[in-house]
This record gives sequence, C-alpha cells and structure tokens, in this order.
Amino acid sequence: QVQLQESGPGLVKPSQTLSLTCTVSGGSISSGSYYWSWIRQSAGKGLEWIGRIEASGNTNYNPSLESRVTISVDTSKNQFSLRLRSVTAADTAVYYCARDPFVFLRGVIHNWFDPWGQGSLVTVSS
Amino acid sequence: DIQLTQSPSSLSASVGDRVTITCRASESISSYLNWYQQKPGKAPKLLIYAASTLQSGVPSRFSGAGSGTDFTLTISSLRPEDLATYYCQQSYISPLTFGPGTKVDIK
Repeated sequence: QVQLQESGPGLVKPSQTLSLTCTVSGGSISSGSYYWSWIRQSAGKGLEWIGRIEASGNTNYNPSLESRVTISVDTSKNQFSLRLRSVTAADTAVYYCARDPFVFLRGVIHNWFDPWGQGSLVTVSS
Repeated sequence: DIQLTQSPSSLSASVGDRVTITCRASESISSYLNWYQQKPGKAPKLLIYAASTLQSGVPSRFSGAGSGTDFTLTISSLRPEDLATYYCQQSYISPLTFGPGTKVDIK
C-alpha cells in the first residue's frame, strides 16, 4: 500500500524559498501511470492544486503559481520535491503531496488524488 | 479556470438521514469530477472518482451522480463517522480546481 510523507521546515521567512519533500513508500515512484502532485490548503483559499510531475520529469503547474514554483523528482530516492520562491504570508498553508493516477476509464483518461500525505503546516513569518 | 460551487456550504442532519451535496461547474466538465472527504485534522480522502465510481474500500452508502455541469454526492444513511467536510474536484482541464467544501455536522 503506497504511503506518502511530507517533510521540511515548518517556518519560512518572507521573501525566502519554501522547500518540501515528499517521500513515497510501499511502491516505486517510477512504476505505473502516475503523476505526483502538490496541493495546499489555507483558510483563505481552501484547497489549491500547485502542480505535478511525472517520474520522467514532465511537469504541469497552476498558472497562478507557475512563476514561483519548481517541482522536481529524484527516482533514486523515491521522492519528489516542491520549491516555492519569494513567499509571503499568503503562502502560509498546510501542504499536501498526493499520488495522481491517470486511468483509462470508459473511453477517456481520468485522474484523481489518492492517496494523500498527512500534510505539513508551513508558516511564513519573520 | 473552471470554478466549482458547492451547496449547501454546511448542513446538520441526524443519524440515518439521507444527505445530498451538490457541486456545480462553471462550464461542462463531462464526468471529470471527483469527491473527497476530509475529517478534522486529517488529509482529504478519495470517495468517488469519474463522477460515479466508488473508490475501493469506501462504504456503499456513498454514491455520486451527474455529468456536464451538475453533480451530486449522496450519503444514503448518515452515520456519526461521516462528520466531515466534503469537497468536489474537477480533473477536466488544468489547473485542477476544488470546490469550497460542504461541512456536514451530526445533530
């Protein structure tokens, strides 16, 4: 059973870079038809999809964050990572990583988020 | 971006009640709609994908329906452990977006 676990600093200063890593256990990040996504949840904006990556390194970002975001993958460590630059208080949120399978279903490709990591609270404050 | 709205924003129901939550998309998304349950202090959990397919291990009292712009999540007989916030999410087009959530309380 695949499990995901976020790790990284819980406090980041304004204008600095937020960095989080998601470690995948119970399965290889390279196997199957999956994207690997980052999602955040704040009181002000609810659930917000940040972006995703395939094991090949192909990425897809939310345009609202694309100028500040980089998602990368390290298949040797079974991890993928998030970097968010120039953070402000508005980036304070719980950050989740999630597996994002794409499945051929009823003639079309569907995807969803399952499973999710437990979440990592990141506070942006001086 | 595709906007998702949910109604009601919150509800209170009794154990055994039938509960229906609605999700409406700002444009047609065919059946590219997923539902999640989030219990307090926990990560969201997938309940329904592709509008109507029950995720493995999810109780059969949960069901999803709809296509195009209008979707529903139904709990056929509410149980105390269903206290949670429920979110819809569209996977039709990037950026992937979520609804604002419906909080379900038990009377």
